[in-house]
Amino acid sequence: GQQVMQIPQYQHVQEGEDFTTYCNSSTTLSNIQWYKQRPGGHPVFLIQLVKSGEVKKQKRLTFQFGEAKKNSSLHITATQTTDVGTYFCAGPRGSQGNLIFGKGTKLSVKP
Amino acid sequence: KAGVTQTPRYLIKTRGQQVTLSCSPISGHRSVSWYQQTPGQGLQFLFEYFSETQRNKGNFPGRFSGRQFSNSRSEMNVSTLELGDSALYLCASSLGFGILDTEAFFGQGTRLTVV
Repeated sequence: GQQVMQIPQYQHVQEGEDFTTYCNSSTTLSNIQWYKQRPGGHPVFLIQLVKSGEVKKQKRLTFQFGEAKKNSSLHITATQTTDVGTYFCAGPRGSQGNLIFGKGTKLSVKP
Repeated sequence: KAGVTQTPRYLIKTRGQQVTLSCSPISGHRSVSWYQQTPGQGLQFLFEYFSETQRNKGNFPGRFSGRQFSNSRSEMNVSTLELGDSALYLCASSLGFGILDTEAFFGQGTRLTVV
């Protein structure tokens, strides 16, 4: 069945270092979404990418959607302790829309 | 506008019991999805309801069921609870009308502990 895979599973960085998480889908996606879940919290929507090759920025966060619309990445420049959490990518399941999530990348930032 | 509301927030049940969890979506959202989150398995999709109809179902046993009411509120039920059902159950609502209307707004979740 359709799968969304994320790597790495865990990432430990020193504050100020950069961080990247990668997402790969087994099928072409109409769009891809990214969510952040803080420890003890619930996933919160960050962004949606729709176009092939699309790049979007939110302050220190850069999101990319691959040309084939099967992969995506999230890059954080100069991490801060507020970036701690688990980052999930998600894509619509088939043509019906409900989301299939990757297993997430858990980011820890050492001050 | 009000967010997604899940009740109760915490629940402790005994093996063999059954439990019902509730989710009130954002006003105007017609799609409600349920996910089970555990440390080892991440976010696992349980089912999705749209306009009172189950539109998609994940790979969970028949002990897990749900329904959606005409006001879009949804409930999920787990019967004959097992220790492995201990998890955070998250409800997410979205507009759900089309492939691009899938941005999910999550509730705070219900933390279920089975003892």
